[in-house]
Amino acid sequence: EAGVAQSPRYKIIEKRQSVAFWCNPISGHATLYWYQQILGQGPKLLIQFQNNGVVDDSQLPKDRFSAERLKGVDSTLKIQPAKLEDSAVYLCASSLQLLPNIQETQYFGPGTRLLVL
Amino acid sequence: TQLLEQSPQFLSIQEGENLTVYCNSSSVFSSLQWYRQEPGEGPVLLVTVVTGGEVKKLKRLTFQFGDARKDSSLHITAAQPGDTGLYLCAGMPGGSNYKLTFGKGTLLTVNP
Repeated sequence: EAGVAQSPRYKIIEKRQSVAFWCNPISGHATLYWYQQILGQGPKLLIQFQNNGVVDDSQLPKDRFSAERLKGVDSTLKIQPAKLEDSAVYLCASSLQLLPNIQETQYFGPGTRLLVL
Repeated sequence: TQLLEQSPQFLSIQEGENLTVYCNSSSVFSSLQWYRQEPGEGPVLLVTVVTGGEVKKLKRLTFQFGDARKDSSLHITAAQPGDTGLYLCAGMPGGSNYKLTFGKGTLLTVNP
């Protein structure tokens, strides 16, 4: 079974530029997550989708970040304009169940490493 | 915001040694997960614990959930170079909150 796919793996941009990341979750997984992992820290949830609806985007900086999950499958995360502090690894994860439970397993992709200069 | 404190932050040991890493909080969690993240990869789930006092074993790894469900530990016996990685704990409060809160991790290096 294929895992969570993400692209690109690496991206270097200058501040104030825009960037987009793509995620393809495991086939059949209803829930998709985007996390930001700054160097030396654990992942922080940015946004959670159930199918193509947003469940939680409370920690998404909405003035510059946007995300969508068209047709409840692939997802894109966009940053416009980027700031220096956006340098981080952006992780996409997916889980099978539509309804949340305390024992759910999230499967993570390899991440996109973003460096903003 | 429920915080998870992990200690130590860094750990470098020789192959064959034993080690324990800790994950502590002042908040109660309905479940707690441990992940290992290798360089250039995403975290991979190792275990989920849900019952206070629960102990789970995964080969040379032993996971314990505190009685009060506020803390957890991971013990590795006879560490191997393949155990090298960032160990992250993540808690889920439960109730109406199913958001995972991650600690900052313990970076383990096992030298041959």
